[in-house]
Amino acid sequence: NAGVTQTPKFQVLKTGQSMTLQCAQDMNHNSMYWYRQDPGMGLRLIYYSASEGTTDKGEVPNGYNVSRLNKREFSLRLESAAPSQTSVYFCASNWDRQLQETQYFGPGTRLLVL
Amino acid sequence: SQQGEEDPQALSIQEGENATMNCSYKTSINNLQWYRQNSGRGLVHLILIRSNEREKHSGRLRVTLDTSKKSSSLLITASRAADTASYFCAYSNYQLIWGAGTKLIIKP
Repeated sequence: NAGVTQTPKFQVLKTGQSMTLQCAQDMNHNSMYWYRQDPGMGLRLIYYSASEGTTDKGEVPNGYNVSRLNKREFSLRLESAAPSQTSVYFCASNWDRQLQETQYFGPGTRLLVL
Repeated sequence: SQQGEEDPQALSIQEGENATMNCSYKTSINNLQWYRQNSGRGLVHLILIRSNEREKHSGRLRVTLDTSKKSSSLLITASRAADTASYFCAYSNYQLIWGAGTKLIIKP
């Protein structure tokens, strides 16, 4: 099993450009999450999907959109990138958001917005 | 902010010594989790302790939870160079709240 995979691993964008970060899990998890990690801070939740067909805002959703394409895949889109979105983005998944048990993380996408 | 607080922010010890990291939180919780992050990598789950548990062990790891003080500690015994990483606590009530992490350096 690959666990949680993310693409791309690294991306450089210019201000105003758009891009989509891809995430897939092969553990048959119901819930998936997108986080950003900035230096000196813990993870901040951007969006989550408690189950296939549902998405909800997290702590810092502004400037982002998500799509739960199917049970395996959860994508994060930046419509018009800004330098403040320079960060490392992590996708995670677990069985059930309500239980808030162990989350499994992908390797991350490093995004630099110039 | 509900963000958990961890201390110390950074810790540097000699290989073979014990390392202790602390996490404090502000609300009632269902469970508290500890994760490790090696440089440039994703987070890896280490241990989960439920609100009705006081202590839990996993190999060289020992986690304690004091719900009256709203705090938890992670002890790594007999540290190794491979333990060099950042360690994060995350506590759950209706969502998972993350601490800012402790950067642990093990000197050979």
